Amino acid sequence: DVVLTQTPPTSSATIGQSVSISCRSSQSLLDSDGNTYLYWYLQRPSQSPQLLIYLVSKLGSGVPNRFSGSGSGTDFTLKISGVEAEDLGVYYCVQGTHDPYTFGAGTKLELK
Amino acid sequence: EVQLVETGGGLVQPGRSLKLSCVASGFTFNNYWMSWTRQAPGKGLEWVASITNSGGSTYYPDSVKGRFTISRDNAQNTLYLQMNSLRSEDTATYYCTSGGQSPFDYWGQGVMVTVSS
Repeated sequence: DVVLTQTPPTSSATIGQSVSISCRSSQSLLDSDGNTYLYWYLQRPSQSPQLLIYLVSKLGSGVPNRFSGSGSGTDFTLKISGVEAEDLGVYYCVQGTHDPYTFGAGTKLELK
Repeated sequence: EVQLVETGGGLVQPGRSLKLSCVASGFTFNNYWMSWTRQAPGKGLEWVASITNSGGSTYYPDSVKGRFTISRDNAQNTLYLQMNSLRSEDTATYYCTSGGQSPFDYWGQGVMVTVSS
């Protein structure tokens, strides 16, 4: 199975600060159809996860544009440009290129 | 507004069975793949099963293959997960999810399954 390694495990930020989260895959996530099936989700405390980013860099419906995704192959990054209080929680990267779907272990974003 | 409401969780003994249901609303159910994911207490997320929009094909990871069965009733906008031969490691919150832009665009509130004697 593809292993997704997220760093850092925990990130502390102040409101307004920009933060980046890394997701590295044990295999290339570039599919033979030309797409890269890498997604980002946020799970706020005591809530269900929600979609932030799909296909590496496309914003999910209703997601603020302070979130952005980038990367290719095996290295991917989620950036939050100007953290807001509602952004706190655990961020997960997920891959869908290789069977089975696999999730990273998560990055917890806390207030400093 | 998309809503996914799971029911059927509870406490069950190892080796026994349990069936989860998820009623969907707010979107055209039969247009979308559906999935179940789970989260063990204090742990990360794990994909459990997926089903195509027609119900004609299903997919599972090795951890549940042969024990769990995903199905759907498009007339009732309902997704199911039949779980057999349950193990302690199946203890988790189970989420119903709908596909679209990603495999898991929308998530239900989750239902807790505890496998213990």
